Amino acid sequence: GAVVSQHPSWVICKSGTSVKIECRSLDFQATTMFWYRQFPKQSLMLMATSNEGSKATYEQGVEKDKFLINHASLTLSTLTVTSAHPEDSSFYICSARTASGNTIYFGEGSWLTVV
Amino acid sequence: DAKTTQPNSMESNEEEPVHLPCNHSTISGTDYIHWYRQLPSQGPEYVIHGLTSNVNNRMASLAIAEDRKSSTLILHRATLRDAAVYYCILPNYGGATNKLIFGTGTLLAVQP
Repeated sequence: GAVVSQHPSWVICKSGTSVKIECRSLDFQATTMFWYRQFPKQSLMLMATSNEGSKATYEQGVEKDKFLINHASLTLSTLTVTSAHPEDSSFYICSARTASGNTIYFGEGSWLTVV
Repeated sequence: DAKTTQPNSMESNEEEPVHLPCNHSTISGTDYIHWYRQLPSQGPEYVIHGLTSNVNNRMASLAIAEDRKSSTLILHRATLRDAAVYYCILPNYGGATNKLIFGTGTLLAVQP
């Protein structure tokens, strides 16, 4: 099946710094990618939808200036958590939609710990 | 978004079949039914999807009710590696983007 890769798989950063997470579709082109956040023992929460070459669409309650999303190519989207705080510590997961639109594949997730 | 309802948890014994139910009474005629599962500390994994007819693949089978208001994911022989949270989702086809909104899913425990 299609492969979506995230990097890094885990990261620890200091409070107040910014951290970037990459999401790549390895064997297909993804016009649309999605970013989720998941806290322990909770379900995935959709943060934003990222379309190649255009601005991301954020879900209600998600701060676009804090979670910067860039989708510069058909195989790469990045999420930058700016001025990270301990409450931003979470499991961040990206997904990518195939050209046919019927299937969405997920990355392995990235653990962010802000200390 | 069309809403889905799943039991919070289910248990199964290893090597026995598992039937995971999902109710989606507000499904529209063009909504596909998608199933994903999430193993601990991993991203969700695509399992299967269908529209009207029953579907089979190497991982599972999907049985869709005739009125499409419910469906059942069938694992023919559960293994310990099938222990995961299973999500039944009807993608929001808003505009040109179909996005997956996750509910709470069903936590499947598999006993040896």
